[in-house]
Amino acid sequence: GENVEQHPSTLSVQEGDSAVIKCTYSDSASNYFPWYKQELGKRPQLIIDIRSNVGEKKDQRIAVTLNKTAKHFSLHITETQPEDSAVYFCAGFSGGYNKLIFGAGTRLAVHP
Amino acid sequence: GAVVSQHPSWVICKSGTSVKIECRSLDFQATTMFWYRQFPKQSLMLMATSNEGSKATYEQGVEKDKFLINHASLTLSTLTVTSAHPEDSSFYICSARTQRGTEAFFGQGTRLTVV
Repeated sequence: GENVEQHPSTLSVQEGDSAVIKCTYSDSASNYFPWYKQELGKRPQLIIDIRSNVGEKKDQRIAVTLNKTAKHFSLHITETQPEDSAVYFCAGFSGGYNKLIFGAGTRLAVHP
Repeated sequence: GAVVSQHPSWVICKSGTSVKIECRSLDFQATTMFWYRQFPKQSLMLMATSNEGSKATYEQGVEKDKFLINHASLTLSTLTVTSAHPEDSSFYICSARTQRGTEAFFGQGTRLTVV
């Protein structure tokens, strides 16, 4: 089944800097890679996702890159703002979309 | 995006009692629903996956007789925590996806406190 590893566990940046979070996955058949943002006490919100037929996807300050050969995908946040502070999770499907497995999470702190 | 509604958002119960949590997809048919448990400062841990009309598939270490999952319709799944104990106190979140979709939509979560 799918195993998703996420690094780093915590990330602290100054406002305006970039932040990068990386995940590796084990199932070579995986073809959908989402990233979620979770604020304290709230539900995870999908912020961006990518499918295996593309290597990069961008949405304003957020981008995701995928390297299928190395089996890793990364979240890139540019021009970070204090409201970007949250916990970010990568995830992956296993078992033919019958399991959605989450990474351990990255606690991002953006300091003004 | 699609809307998933989870109820209640928080509940306090006495040790030994049972609690039912509902998860509804409001504007789409959810053929698959996922139930997660999240302890403070930890990730979402998948408890079980349920497909409409069939028995739920539980993850290793999750007691199926304690966490009863019912997915009787395409818009409703329930999780019942039976004989709850303080160690069951956690944040429980459901998620739903359509048969052909890959995106999973999340409920707002239920904070369970067992006293």
